[in-house]
Amino acid sequence: GAVVSQHPSRVICKSGTSVKIECRSLDFQATTMFWYRQFPKQSLMLMATSNEGSKATYEQGVEKDKFLINHASLTLSTLTVTSAHPEDSSFYICSAWRSGNEQFFGPGTRLTVL
Amino acid sequence: AQSVAQPEDQVNVAEGNPLTVKCTYSVSGNPYLFWYVQYPNRGLQFLLKYITGDNLVKGSYGFEAEFNKSQTSFHLKKPSALVSDSALYFCAVSPQDTGRRALTFGSGTRLQVQP
Repeated sequence: GAVVSQHPSRVICKSGTSVKIECRSLDFQATTMFWYRQFPKQSLMLMATSNEGSKATYEQGVEKDKFLINHASLTLSTLTVTSAHPEDSSFYICSAWRSGNEQFFGPGTRLTVL
Repeated sequence: AQSVAQPEDQVNVAEGNPLTVKCTYSVSGNPYLFWYVQYPNRGLQFLLKYITGDNLVKGSYGFEAEFNKSQTSFHLKKPSALVSDSALYFCAVSPQDTGRRALTFGSGTRLQVQP
């Protein structure tokens, strides 16, 4: 099956710093990737749709200037949490869309902001 | 807008007994339906999906789900539960006709299988 990787798997940072999370499709090209956020004991909530070569589409209530998304190639999307604060601490999961109505999920990145 | 309801926060079942995890959905038009499983601090693992065709869908690890259009349900089932099935299960939907490919997830159901 298709593999989607995320890096890093876990990051701890100080409040006010920026953190970049990478999402890669390892064995297929993905024109569309998605970023989800999962708070403890809650479901996954879609944050944004990342489109290769164009601007990301953000869900209502998600600050585009705080969560910067770059989809510069067909196998890589990055999410940068700018000026992170403790309330940004969460589990961030990306997924990549492949033709055939398949979405493949990354293993997730645990962000802890002190 | 689409939505998914998983009415049970937790399901407890004894090992060897059949299990059912319930899911109902709301979507405009025809749905794509999915079940995923999540283990602690891990991403989602795909179990099965319904796109079209047979209402009974067979997936990974012996799981199956039945699509019921009239009841807008997609319950996950397994004839004989294993302790290793204990995990968090998510039902998800996306509409077929709009081109929106992002998934809308239910709130999740924790399955606890007792030895």
